[in-house]
Amino acid sequence: KNQVEQSPQSLIILEGKNCTLQCNYTVSPFSNLRWYKQDTGRGPVSLTIMTFSENTKSNGRYTATLDADTKQSSLHITASQLSDSASYICVVRPNSGAGSYQLTFGKGTKLSVIP
Amino acid sequence: DTEVTQTPKHLVMGMTNKKSLKCEQHMGHRAMYWYKQKAKKPPELMFVYSYEKLSINESVPSRFSPECPNSSLLNLHLHALQPEDSALYLCASSSGQGAKTQYFGPGTRLLVL
Repeated sequence: KNQVEQSPQSLIILEGKNCTLQCNYTVSPFSNLRWYKQDTGRGPVSLTIMTFSENTKSNGRYTATLDADTKQSSLHITASQLSDSASYICVVRPNSGAGSYQLTFGKGTKLSVIP
Repeated sequence: DTEVTQTPKHLVMGMTNKKSLKCEQHMGHRAMYWYKQKAKKPPELMFVYSYEKLSINESVPSRFSPECPNSSLLNLHLHALQPEDSALYLCASSSGQGAKTQYFGPGTRLLVL
């Protein structure tokens, strides 16, 4: 069964500090992994997308890493801001095929940045 | 334009009401999706439309009725809902049903009284 596990479930950090969120997945075969930011009551917004052959990708203060051998990904946030407070969801898409529309969502990490 | 729009942003309805949620995209995408998301849970896929035809129905109760009038619009008609149907309803689109990226709308927050 395809699964995506995220840790920690929640995290509180001081403004200006860095943090790293983790994602482990069992989706196979694997097409791509995406990190989304979701504010409460709003739709997910894509931060990064990584395919099987990519190890790291940055988007401003967000840097995602991927180890396809161990099926692990991380999202590193640098110099956090109050506006980074949100849920961060790891989403994995299976490889092309009949089920490729069926994304597997993690439960998310709820990040709170406090002044 | 890489935006998926949804209206209304918020909706409160009684169990006997009939209402509709609307979703629109102008990216030329041929696949559109409805998801339901309860608080603190990941989104759950409800329906997939591919080339304006219903492709996937994830065993959703008939009180939810999707409609795709054209390639840019996706509606979700609601009738005789239950309080447990209260949730955030997300629309998404992609270039094709198996495309790499699904773009999400901001969602409609629905409360059923």
